[in-house]
Amino acid sequence: DVKVTQSSRYLVKRTGEKVFLECVQDMDHENMFWYRQDPGLGLRLIYFSYDVKMKEKGDIPEGYSVSREKKERFSLILESASTNQTSMYLCASSLNRGALTLLYNEQFFGPGTRLTVL
Amino acid sequence: QKEVEQDPGPLSVPEGAIVSLNCTYSNSAFQYFMWYRQYSRKGPELLMYTYSSGNKEDGRFTAQVDKSSKYISLFIRDSQPSDSATYLCAMSLLNDYKLSFGAGTTVTVRA
Repeated sequence: DVKVTQSSRYLVKRTGEKVFLECVQDMDHENMFWYRQDPGLGLRLIYFSYDVKMKEKGDIPEGYSVSREKKERFSLILESASTNQTSMYLCASSLNRGALTLLYNEQFFGPGTRLTVL
Repeated sequence: QKEVEQDPGPLSVPEGAIVSLNCTYSNSAFQYFMWYRQYSRKGPELLMYTYSSGNKEDGRFTAQVDKSSKYISLFIRDSQPSDSATYLCAMSLLNDYKLSFGAGTTVTVRA
């Protein structure tokens, strides 16, 4: 079974703090993603990575950065947390497009980190 | 206008009822259509997927895609309290690993 783990289930930070959210997957997936999930807005893509040290902006990258130094680990960084970044953060991973599977773009999600910024 | 529209509900039905969920989309190039189920305090998990048009059935679940109307549906027959969850539709282009998600519909099945 694919397992995607996230470093914290709940996190409370203060405005202006630097916040690190960690995600680890154990299935050798090339692609990794960070989303935030807000009521009524669904999942919005923040950043994704298709290879080590490679990253691309998603739909809402402002205020966030990412790091992927190892294939299994993808970190989301809030450089200076603000109250409007209070949200549920979900990490996901998927196989690359060359994989021998009909549904190569199925994404496997972690349990999420609920971040509150005060 | 959002690329994928989904009524967030909530939807409350009695046990045994048929649950009908749907999404509309604007990008006619979408080829993969998926439904994810998300239980409370968990991450989403893939429930069903279809490629291009047509129907797919898996036990009590049926997924339908109507590309001419840009409309997808998920039906849950004989709903159970264990089906209570948020259901998210997702879709993608043929050669793209990014998914576009709907807002999710929260379903409660009352015993």
